[in-house]
Amino acid sequence: TQLLEQSPQFLSIQEGENLTVYCNSSSVFSSLQWYRQEPGEGPVLLVTVVTGGEVKKLKRLTFQFGDARKDSSLHITAAQPGDTGLYLCAGLRVTGANNLFFGTGTRLTVIP
Amino acid sequence: NAGVMQNPRHLVRRRGQEARLRCSPMKGHSHVYWYRQLPEEGLKFMVYLQKENIIDESGMPKERFSAEFPKEGPSILRIQQVVRGDSAAYFCASSPWIAGRLYNEQFFGPGTRLTVL
Repeated sequence: TQLLEQSPQFLSIQEGENLTVYCNSSSVFSSLQWYRQEPGEGPVLLVTVVTGGEVKKLKRLTFQFGDARKDSSLHITAAQPGDTGLYLCAGLRVTGANNLFFGTGTRLTVIP
Repeated sequence: NAGVMQNPRHLVRRRGQEARLRCSPMKGHSHVYWYRQLPEEGLKFMVYLQKENIIDESGMPKERFSAEFPKEGPSILRIQQVVRGDSAAYFCASSPWIAGRLYNEQFFGPGTRLTVL
C-alpha cells in the first residue's frame, strides 16, 4: 500500500497551459516536501510546507498544504518546457520517524 | 557549499559480489538517510544514521544489507552477495541539526546506480 498517492501519474501539456498535481493521503504529516527529479539525478527540493492551509509560491509554482495536513497540491502557471520532469511529494509523519514517505510521482511533459 | 556527494555514480557487480556505496553529506549535516528507487517504483526509505549511530533501520532488508556512518569519513551502504533484484538507484540524503533541532528538509545526492549482472 502506498501512503501518498499522486495524481495524475502522467501529464502532457502544451507550453503556456496551467496544471495542478495532487498528493493525497489518509495519514497526517508534520510536514510535506515537493521535489523535482531529472533522469539520472537525485530529487531536488522545491519547497517544504509545515502548517495546515499554508500556501507557498515559487515563481510560477504554487504549493498548498491541506488544512488537515493530509494532502497537498502543486499548481504551475503558464508551464514551460523547462518544467518537464518527475514531481514527487514526500511527507514526514507525525509519529516522529524522520524518514520521508514518497508519493508515486507525476511525470510532467511540457511540449513547446 | 558542496551538496551531498555520492560515489560511485554507476556500479556494476556480478551476482555474489559485494557492493559498497559511499555518501558524504552536506557540510555541517550530521544526519544521513539512504533510500532506494527500484525501476518504475518510488523512493523507499532504508536507513537513517547519525555519526556512529543507526537511528532507524526499519526499511533495510534483514539480510545482506548494512550501513554505517563513522566518526570520520563518509557513510557507507554495503550490500553483500548481490542479486539481480538489488539493481536500483540508491540515494543518500542529509539534513542538519541546528540549535538542538533536526530540520525537516532532506537534501539528496545524485545517486548510485547499481546494476547486477
